[in-house]
Amino acid sequence: AQTVTQSQPEMSVQEAETVTLSCTYDTSESDYYLFWYKQPPSRQMILVIRQEAYKQQNATENRFSVNFQKAAKSFSLKISDSQLGDAAMYFCAYRSAWGGGSNYKLTFGKGTLLTVNP
Amino acid sequence: DAGVIQSPRHEVTEMGQEVTLRCKPISGHNSLFWYRQTMMRGLELLIYFNNNVPIDDSGMPEDRFSAKMPNASFSTLKIQPSEPRDSAVYFCASTLGQFTDTQYFGPGTRLTVL
Repeated sequence: AQTVTQSQPEMSVQEAETVTLSCTYDTSESDYYLFWYKQPPSRQMILVIRQEAYKQQNATENRFSVNFQKAAKSFSLKISDSQLGDAAMYFCAYRSAWGGGSNYKLTFGKGTLLTVNP
Repeated sequence: DAGVIQSPRHEVTEMGQEVTLRCKPISGHNSLFWYRQTMMRGLELLIYFNNNVPIDDSGMPEDRFSAKMPNASFSTLKIQPSEPRDSAVYFCASTLGQFTDTQYFGPGTRLTVL
């Protein structure tokens, strides 16, 4: 079974600075998807960014980018020019790309609580 | 486009009462998921529907929980009777296809059972 580990329960960053959230995962599969979801105090789970394992290029969405290291099974999220609105719980998630079985399941990490200081 | 809609947003009930949570997936999406989030266990998948058919309910904690999807635009999660340990945030999510990668979540229902 796949596992997702977020080793940083909490992180803090100064407004306008850059912060990197860590995520590692364990899988024997070669093709899969990785996601970062943001959960602000409103509780809404918001998709931040996704990465397809077969793509070597790191995904980027405005101020959010990932460092995907497939061999190391690492998928970190970098937030540049941090804003107060970035304060939230961030979850890393894994999903197999193969059809069939239970491969529709998302496996989540425990989350990292990000605080943005003004 | 409207996202996944859940109601109610908050529910407070007393132990033993029946609770029904509702979800409307994104139009055109044919896969629907119910999750539960607690501090202790994080996010857990409870049940998954594809084309209105329950595919995997192995995450449903016990017989007190049941879920239905009578049509493509509506699903319910029912707890009867409710217990304090059911207190959690319940999320509904939908995807375009059974093996489409991205799940889109609703705002969640915070359930408190006294």
